[in-house]
Amino acid sequence: GAVVSQHPSRVICKSGTSVKIECRSLDFQATTMFWYRQFPKKSLMLMATSNEGSKATYEQGVEKDKFLINHASLTLSTLTVTSAHPEDSSFYICSAADGGTDTQYFGPGTRLTVL
Amino acid sequence: QKEVEQNSGPLSVPEGAIASLNCTYSDRGSQSFFWYRQYSGKSPELIMSIYSNGDKEDGRFTAQLNKASQYVSLLIRDSQPSDSATYLCAVNSPEYGNKLVFGAGTILRVKS
Repeated sequence: GAVVSQHPSRVICKSGTSVKIECRSLDFQATTMFWYRQFPKKSLMLMATSNEGSKATYEQGVEKDKFLINHASLTLSTLTVTSAHPEDSSFYICSAADGGTDTQYFGPGTRLTVL
Repeated sequence: QKEVEQNSGPLSVPEGAIASLNCTYSDRGSQSFFWYRQYSGKSPELIMSIYSNGDKEDGRFTAQLNKASQYVSLLIRDSQPSDSATYLCAVNSPEYGNKLVFGAGTILRVKS
């Protein structure tokens, strides 16, 4: 099956620092990757859609200057949380769509804690 | 009306029983439907996709789609305690730019 990795799995940082999260499709090429966040006991919230070689499309209410997304290749997308604050603490999950279908495969997620 | 609706549960079934999970959606133009399983503290895992009306079986799982009634369901036969998780229904919605729209999920508890 399609495998998506995410790194790091867990990160704790101080308020004001930036954190980069990597998402990789390991055995397929992903023209489109998605970034979600999820608060405890809540549903997934789509943050942005990332297409290889172009700018990401952000959902309403998501600050593009705070959540920087880069999709440099067909197998790698990165999310950088800039100047992180405690309210940014959440579970961040990426997914990758197999180019020929609209099926999304999820990475294992990154748990971010901002102190 | 929410785009994708699920009963939040929890749905409790005894081990060995059939668990039935339901989902309704609002966008009549939707063509792709997915069921994901999410264990507590983990990311969603794809169980099944379905695109045509009718049933699709994969092992103990059967997805059912009725586009006229705008509902999709997931049946889990011979439920096991390890099936206890939150089940997310996701619908590809042309109305929302062909993104996947997720339901809030149904918590399933299988009691041994």
